[in-house]
Amino acid sequence: QSALTQPASVSGSPGQSITISCTGTSSDVGDSKYVSWYQQHPGKAPKLMIYEVTNRPSGVSNRFSGSKSGNAASLTISGLQAEDEADYYCSSYTSSSNLVFGGGTKVTVL
Amino acid sequence: EEQLLESGGGLVQPGGSLRLSCAASGFTFSDYAMRWVRQAPGKGLDWVAVIGYSGTYYADSVRGRFIISRDNSNNMLYLQMNTLRVEDTAVYYCVKGLTLASTWGQGIVVTVSP
Repeated sequence: QSALTQPASVSGSPGQSITISCTGTSSDVGDSKYVSWYQQHPGKAPKLMIYEVTNRPSGVSNRFSGSKSGNAASLTISGLQAEDEADYYCSSYTSSSNLVFGGGTKVTVL
Repeated sequence: EEQLLESGGGLVQPGGSLRLSCAASGFTFSDYAMRWVRQAPGKGLDWVAVIGYSGTYYADSVRGRFIISRDNSNNMLYLQMNTLRVEDTAVYYCVKGLTLASTWGQGIVVTVSP
C-alpha cells in the first residue's frame, strides 16, 4: 500500500492559519471515514490530534480542525503558535486492517 | 492515564532475532486491537503488525518474519522479529487501536547492523 501524499513542509507566522493536505485514492482516503492526524515533536512519540476526519480527542486545542473532500483530507491549524512547530502525519484505515500513513509534513513557525 | 511501555530493543546482526514487549496500563487491554508501528531514522511512520478480534495482520515487508502476539491476562503485547534485515532498523512504537492510533508508547530502538 502506497503512502498518502503530504507536502514536505508548510510554514506560517504566529497567529496565522495553515492547512496541510493529505492526498490518497478512492481505495483509502476517499473510501474511509477513519482519517486521523498526528503531531510529532523531535525525539517524541506521535500524538493523536484528529480522528474520524473531524473529531478532536479530549485535551487537543480547538485550533486544530480536520476535513475531507473526495480523496483528500486536510488539517488546519488556526492561530499558529510556536509550540505547533512539529511534524504532522495523516493516516487512513482501509480494509484488511491496513493503516496507511502519509509521508509527513514539517510545520515551521516563522 | 493510558500508558504503553516498550522494552526489548537493541543492536542485532542481520539474520538475527529480537523480541519486543509492551506493557499496557490504564485501559481494558483485552477490549482493543493493538499495533506495532515503526519509524526508520529520519523517515515517516509505517505500520508493522496488528492483532485484534479478527486475527493478526502484517505489512508486506515483515510478513513471514515477524509475529505479533498478546497476553490479555497480563496486559502485554509482543513482537517476535526473526531474520532481521538492515532495513528493519527503526524506532518501534506500541500503539493502541485498529482504525486509529489513539495511544502511543515512547518507542524502542532496534538497530540491525553487521
